[in-house]
Amino acid sequence: GAGVSQSPRYKVAKRGQDVALRCDPISGHVSLFWYQQALGQGPEFLTYFQNEAQLDKSGLPSDRFFAERPEGSVSTLKIQRTQQEDSAVYLCASSLILNPTDTQYFGPGTRLTVL
Amino acid sequence: AQSVTQLGSHVSVSEGALVLLRCNYSSSVPPYLFWYVQYPNQGLQLLLKYTSAATLVKGINGFEAEFKKSETSFHLTKPSAHMSDAAEYFCAVPHMEYGNKLVFGAGTILRVKS
Repeated sequence: GAGVSQSPRYKVAKRGQDVALRCDPISGHVSLFWYQQALGQGPEFLTYFQNEAQLDKSGLPSDRFFAERPEGSVSTLKIQRTQQEDSAVYLCASSLILNPTDTQYFGPGTRLTVL
Repeated sequence: AQSVTQLGSHVSVSEGALVLLRCNYSSSVPPYLFWYVQYPNQGLQLLLKYTSAATLVKGINGFEAEFKKSETSFHLTKPSAHMSDAAEYFCAVPHMEYGNKLVFGAGTILRVKS
């Protein structure tokens, strides 16, 4: 079946613009995660959902970052008033259940460049 | 203290040689460990995971890893490197308090020379 998809794959924004990044998880997966990967570093956790409930948003860097999953499927990560330090690859992952041993399946990521 | 540490940001091996990528974890994290591979401009793909069953775990593409509690290590190995193995490899563990989110190491870039 189809894997996790993300759109757009690449996004260039001017500083101060708002952006919205979309994630389509694997069908039927309960859990959805967002990670941020800066250049040359490992992914860092941002937030995760179980169905439509956002259970942990402790990794969001500032109140400019907002994520939602209103119907428990597709998720959107929104960044308001983008700054240069927001430039990174944003990875989405989904897992069948919410359990530390369950495999997280990753999408290809959205590369955000803020000029 | 770091939850997971990968020694060596870059590793270079010749085609056909042994691949050894090192990962050490904090003893305070839940005993589940993951290795992911990332090819250029792609997302992460699971290579293998340890979930408290057999300590020697076999994964895809001929990779394997051994969980050694006494050494708090989970090193990734492959007997014979192939050109297609060139990629970045990440070791990950569940967060020590909130296990559903993963904590990743800094990654090791594997270069395979012909």
